[in-house]
Amino acid sequence: DAKTTQPPSMDCAEGRAANLPCNHSTISGNEYVYWYRQIHSQGPQYIIHGLKNNETNEMASLIITEDRKSSTLILPHATLRDTAVYYCIAEYGNKLVFGAGTILRVKS
Amino acid sequence: NAGVTQTPKFRILKIGQSMTLQCTQDMNHNYMYWYRQDPGMGLKLIYYSVGAGITDKGEVPNGYNVSRSTTEDFPLRLELAAPSQTSVYFCASSSPSGPQHFGDGTRLSIL
Repeated sequence: DAKTTQPPSMDCAEGRAANLPCNHSTISGNEYVYWYRQIHSQGPQYIIHGLKNNETNEMASLIITEDRKSSTLILPHATLRDTAVYYCIAEYGNKLVFGAGTILRVKS
Repeated sequence: NAGVTQTPKFRILKIGQSMTLQCTQDMNHNYMYWYRQDPGMGLKLIYYSVGAGITDKGEVPNGYNVSRSTTEDFPLRLELAAPSQTSVYFCASSSPSGPQHFGDGTRLSIL
């Protein structure tokens, strides 16, 4: 079973930051938090991952709480093309266990 | 940049037929995976491989078989197709410590 819980859906205005929360209170110290997204029915697309420290790349930022019980994915300037299902996943040993994810709808 | 390539993209099978879903990657990744995704659900791991000649079961392996004779290819075999295997199948690959890269999927209907 997935070790993460996410809200089923969120809305965001175009051009604003999208903040997607994820709870993972039961992950172990060596499990990474990965974020993927799936647009329409395409294959999932990797976004970002982290273990303890906050991470940033060209797509997004990942903020992990100090106790590692939760994290937030930040899309700094959401566009209509960011509308997708976003999955927060605790990864160990290269195995991903997908939950239902959060449907993010970016609206103009 | 081909990445992970899956064929076919769509297929309709009759109950009891067999088929092989093909997956090939050109990134020289050691690890490869097969997932299925049912409507409105997240992906579930069927089988995975950490290198040529090595395969292992995932969460939902029943009704499927795999082989890994080369680094590049990881075919998924359905021997006796059942309606419950109607799904979208995704193949992925990764390096041992890297993110997984997914193909575009095979949409399979069994009637």
